[in-house]
Amino acid sequence: GAVVSQHPSRVICKSGTSVKIECRSLDFQATTMFWYRQFPKQSLMLMATSNEGSKATYEQGVEKDKFLINHASLTLSTLTVTSAHPEDSSFYICSATYWDGGYTFGSGTRLTVV
Amino acid sequence: AQKVTQAQTEISVVEKEDVTLDCVYETRDTTYYLFWYKQPPSGELVFLIRRNSFDEQNEISGRYSWNFQKSTSSFNFTITASQVVDSAVYFCALSEPYSGGYQKVTFGTGTKLQVIP
Repeated sequence: GAVVSQHPSRVICKSGTSVKIECRSLDFQATTMFWYRQFPKQSLMLMATSNEGSKATYEQGVEKDKFLINHASLTLSTLTVTSAHPEDSSFYICSATYWDGGYTFGSGTRLTVV
Repeated sequence: AQKVTQAQTEISVVEKEDVTLDCVYETRDTTYYLFWYKQPPSGELVFLIRRNSFDEQNEISGRYSWNFQKSTSSFNFTITASQVVDSAVYFCALSEPYSGGYQKVTFGTGTKLQVIP
């Protein structure tokens, strides 16, 4: 149980275009989802907290106009990287918390902007 | 503010050796969770264990064992008889209640374990 599906696993896009990453909870309702970013050989840094039906809460230093988060339903949160540039190339991971306080992660999306 | 320290950046061991990965945490809360995750080169995070702050019992799962010591704010992870498949980056993480009513997770910087055949 408590599976989070993240799609796509890899994406290559041209500089200036936008990319959408989806995160779905498959067998539970995720009121809250989280988006992390991981640079090579570094730890996971929380970007934002996504709450169903309300605006996301962004961590300090994260551009909310660049990283658009939408949590329109209890099973889906999306992260859109707008006007992507090479410096946005990174590994993005979503996660969700479930009823007993556990944490489950998606399999990650490796974004490469060329 | 919560903080997780994994002082060991990289560790190399020879196969079949035992290895302990250290994790020290800081928190002001009395209720929190501690986690260990494994991240193989493919990138996905593999859940290993979750421990709540009120359960100090050590745990063993096959070749894996965890030592939780609240007195020293440590949650160390030991792999016995290491295998090449254990090669990965291991993250220790701490979650505690956040103002929004949910748990916020802070990750350590990770320890890269290389098991040499």
